[in-house]
Amino acid sequence: GQNIDQPTEMTATEGAIVQINCTYQTSGFNGLFWYQQHAGEAPTFLSYNVLDGLEEKGRFSSFLSRSKGYSYLLLKELQMKDSASYLCAVRSFSGGYNKLIFGAGTRLAVHP
Amino acid sequence: GAVVSQHPSWVICKSGTSVKIECRSLDFQATTMFWYRQFPKQSLMLMATSNEGSKATYEQGVEKDKFLINHASLTLSTLTVTSAHPEDSSFYICSARDLRAGDAEQYFGPGTRLTVT
Repeated sequence: GQNIDQPTEMTATEGAIVQINCTYQTSGFNGLFWYQQHAGEAPTFLSYNVLDGLEEKGRFSSFLSRSKGYSYLLLKELQMKDSASYLCAVRSFSGGYNKLIFGAGTRLAVHP
Repeated sequence: GAVVSQHPSWVICKSGTSVKIECRSLDFQATTMFWYRQFPKQSLMLMATSNEGSKATYEQGVEKDKFLINHASLTLSTLTVTSAHPEDSSFYICSARDLRAGDAEQYFGPGTRLTVT
């Protein structure tokens, strides 16, 4: 089966750095994605890792360790608008095609 | 980036009626589209994978006779919720993969909020 774990909620201060962890167990691993979702809206793509290491994209970075089944999303210079849910999603190849399975999401609250 | 649209954005229907939701890729072709459902404060749950020109593949526990999926072209997939009941009230989101992007990214539509009374 597949299992994706991430913390339910986190809080942080404006201007600070926050790291959101994600652990997963899956077969046919074919990439790990991070999405941001504001309440009532669809998810928006943040980052994608398929190889081990760090991917940096502006204020956002994502890390992957396939051997440990572990990823994190790092948000720097936090802004109030970063308050949202952050979804870790694993893409797995199964039954002849890729599909994206989401974790429960981490609700991040950024305070002044 | 690639744009995915959904119609309608919200719909209210009476129990026992059917509702059709459309998902379109506006500026790219997508052989595969995905349908998700999201209940309040929960994550997206994959319902089915919609393949152009073939039958959809449903996830375990999703009734294929209740959630009818048709992927008639490379830019359109539809989800029909048949005989809707209040427990079907949810946020339905589709996504599509852009073939040109080398299969790396999946684009999401804005979602359709269904309320069954």
